[in-house]
Amino acid sequence: AQKVTQAQTEISVVEKEDVTLDCVYETRDTTYYLFWYKQPPSGELVFLIRRNSFDEQNEISGRYSWNFQKSTSSFNFTITASQVVDSAVYFCALSEASLNTDKLIFGTGTRLQVFP
Amino acid sequence: GAVVSQHPSWVICKSGTSVKIECRSLDFQATTMFWYRQFPKQSLMLMATSNEGSKATYEQGVEKDKFLINHASLTLSTLTVTSAHPEDSSFYICSAILGNEQFFGPGTRLTVL
Repeated sequence: AQKVTQAQTEISVVEKEDVTLDCVYETRDTTYYLFWYKQPPSGELVFLIRRNSFDEQNEISGRYSWNFQKSTSSFNFTITASQVVDSAVYFCALSEASLNTDKLIFGTGTRLQVFP
Repeated sequence: GAVVSQHPSWVICKSGTSVKIECRSLDFQATTMFWYRQFPKQSLMLMATSNEGSKATYEQGVEKDKFLINHASLTLSTLTVTSAHPEDSSFYICSAILGNEQFFGPGTRLTVL
């Protein structure tokens, strides 16, 4: 069965701190895709990254970085030097290729609050 | 990136009435759209897959007679919440597929009194 677990419900940090959001997934597929989305208070989902299961290279995009480890089924997200504008709910999601569909299974989300 | 719109952005209705929510892909054609529901402070749960020209595929536990989905064109899918009740109050989000990417609409907040 497929499942995405985000154990951290809420995280609070002070501006300029680094913060890591954890994501652990379960799937029986060998081909799958992992995503991170940001949902600010306005509600609209903002796409951050898509990673396929065959690409374990870590990725960095500005202050954002992602650590994909198949051995531990984790796809963690780190924000470096956090800013108040990073305050949002962050969702990790999984899509399985065997289903031949783009259905996304979302984690429960982590609410990040960055204080000035 | 591609743009998906939803209308209305929010709606308040009385219990027992029906509400229609539109999801449009503005600058691309989408044979597949998805409808998600998000209760306050909870995750997004997939309700159904909307396929252009055919019946929608509903997830387990979602009443197809209550949540009517119509995908009559390649740019429009509609979700009608029939005989809405307060427990249907939620944030409804649609998405559309373009290539390998899924683009989300801004969501519709439904409040049933």
